[in-house]
Amino acid sequence: GNSVTQMEGPVTLSEEAFLTINCTYTATGYPSLFWYVQYPGEGLQLLLKATKADDKGSNKGFEATYRKETTSFHLEKGSVQVSDSAVYFCALSALSGSARQLTFGSGTQLTVLP
Amino acid sequence: GAGVSQSPSNKVTEKGKDVELRCDPISGHTALYWYRQSLGQGLEFLIYFQGNSAPDKSGLPSDRFSAERTGGSVSTLTIQRTQQEDSAVYLCASSLEPGLRNTEAFFGQGTRLTVV
Repeated sequence: GNSVTQMEGPVTLSEEAFLTINCTYTATGYPSLFWYVQYPGEGLQLLLKATKADDKGSNKGFEATYRKETTSFHLEKGSVQVSDSAVYFCALSALSGSARQLTFGSGTQLTVLP
Repeated sequence: GAGVSQSPSNKVTEKGKDVELRCDPISGHTALYWYRQSLGQGLEFLIYFQGNSAPDKSGLPSDRFSAERTGGSVSTLTIQRTQQEDSAVYLCASSLEPGLRNTEAFFGQGTRLTVV
């Protein structure tokens, strides 16, 4: 079946530090890959996506590259801010049974200290 | 509406009671999804609707769980004879198309269910 494994948290960084959150996946066919973010008190929202191998998704300074050879989609940001504190979820969209559905990782709590 | 709306935002119920959770998707979105988020866990897929039909019910954890969608819009998730292990945040999402390959799923803020 489809599955997503992401780096366990919580992760605590100082402002302007470099961030990497690892994500690997197992899927049938050709999945699309996503990072969703959940800020405190808010619903999940899409951060970035990539729909085919070697695509790079980017948004708000975050980047992730779809690596088919390593089945990975690691999230990176060069300089984090306090406002990036949130829970980050890696997800894939792939066929499961008769329909496409989103399969999520367990989430990584990020806290950025001033 | 402007976004996916879920109600109630919080629900405390006694073990053994039935509960209904409501989701109003974004107008025009044909696909609707229910997920469950337990403390420290990822999002667990429950059920998916395309229009009013549910081609994928594989995630419903037991026959106490059921869901329906009417008019291609509002969906209700019903949990009968609630148990303490049902305590979680129940999230609803909708998308314009079911493929989710290029389209984004928009999430509501969830219903926090506590069974005491």
